[in-house]
Amino acid sequence: GDSVTQMEGPVTLSEEAFLTINCTYTATGYPSLFWYVQYPGEGLQLLLKATKADDKGSNKGFEATYRKETTSFHLEKGSVQVSDSAVYFCALSAVDTGNQFYFGTGTSLTVIP
Amino acid sequence: DTGVSQDPRHKITKRGQNVTFRCDPISEHNRLYWYRQTLGQGPEFLTYFQNEAQLEKSRLLSDRFSAERPKGSFSTLEIQRTEQGDSAMYLCASSTRDYRDEQYFGPGTRLTVT
Repeated sequence: GDSVTQMEGPVTLSEEAFLTINCTYTATGYPSLFWYVQYPGEGLQLLLKATKADDKGSNKGFEATYRKETTSFHLEKGSVQVSDSAVYFCALSAVDTGNQFYFGTGTSLTVIP
Repeated sequence: DTGVSQDPRHKITKRGQNVTFRCDPISEHNRLYWYRQTLGQGPEFLTYFQNEAQLEKSRLLSDRFSAERPKGSFSTLEIQRTEQGDSAMYLCASSTRDYRDEQYFGPGTRLTVT
């Protein structure tokens, strides 16, 4: 079945450091891929998405590229800020699974000044 | 667009009691989803509706759980005879019919079963 495997955390970085959170997926069809973020005490918010191979999603300085050949969708940011401290979830959605989302287990990021 | 809302935000109940949660989706969205999230895990799919029809249910959804969306607008999730293992955050999300579109999540209802 469809699934998402996400880099385990927690991750602690200093401000202005480079961030990578790895995400790989398994899907029988052609999924859409998403990164959601959950800030402390808040609900899940969409960070970015990509709907087909080689698409790059970007938002708030974060980027992820849909790589079909490696079944990956790694999240990157060149310079993290304290305000980026949150839990990040990778997710996929495919037409043959009724559009339900499959989420990874989440990666907690803490950015220290 | 006021977003997805859920009520209540927190619920504490004793084991064996029944509880009901409500979700109001974004008005133009015809798909509505319920997920459960436990500490340290990602959301897990429970069930979804397209308009008023419940099209899929996860095996996680035991017969103590029932969901409705009677007029294709708001939805309710009821848990009968709650157990301590039901303690979790219950999330509602809505979307359009296009699988490429994101789901918009509500703030969740945190259930604690004592």
